[in-house]
Amino acid sequence: SYDLTQPPSVSVSPGQTASITCSGDNLGDNFVSWYQQKPGQSPVLVIYQDDQRPSGIPERFSGSISGNTATLTISGTQAMDEADYYCQAWDSGTYVFGIGTKVTVL
Amino acid sequence: QVQLVQSGAEVKKPGASVKVSCKASGYSFTDYNIHWVRQAPGQRLEWMGWINPGNGYTKYSQKFQGGLTITRDTSATTAYMELSSLKSEDTAVFFCARLAHSWNAFDYWGQGTLVTDSS
Repeated sequence: SYDLTQPPSVSVSPGQTASITCSGDNLGDNFVSWYQQKPGQSPVLVIYQDDQRPSGIPERFSGSISGNTATLTISGTQAMDEADYYCQAWDSGTYVFGIGTKVTVL
Repeated sequence: QVQLVQSGAEVKKPGASVKVSCKASGYSFTDYNIHWVRQAPGQRLEWMGWINPGNGYTKYSQKFQGGLTITRDTSATTAYMELSSLKSEDTAVFFCARLAHSWNAFDYWGQGTLVTDSS
């Protein structure tokens, strides 16, 4: 079955940049979305179609893709950005999520 | 505004079934597919399947084939997820989510429904 690989955790200091990667076979052939999930809450879409930001999502969130690796970047990270982040892609009629990356703002 | 409101928490015995509802409002219910996602405690999001509320067409993840049934009631603008033959490892939060088809991404989510094992 299709799998998406993410680092389990990323630590960042306030005001610095956090980068979260997501890799998978032929990932570049499918659009990638990213979701933020805080404890006890529902996921929130922060990036769709690799690099598009829904309205209401701060500009410090950006997405990119190179080859089979997608990256979510949080510039000027704030304490409120501490959360789990999941990448998601579509493959052969199914929707797949990565294992999630816990972002800790130290 | 778009809202997906799910039914409340459930406690179930192993072997039983559970049916969770997801009431949609603030948009045309039949224009967007509704998906269901499971999240076991401390685990990743796991896609289960979807329904086209317009025509009732469904597609399920192979993992849940046989035990999962997704239905809808268009007059009530509500989608339902029923999982049968529950096991203790089925303890999880279940989310419904709307798919923005032009984005192929889940743009709105329900608040989640916790289903726990009573054993």
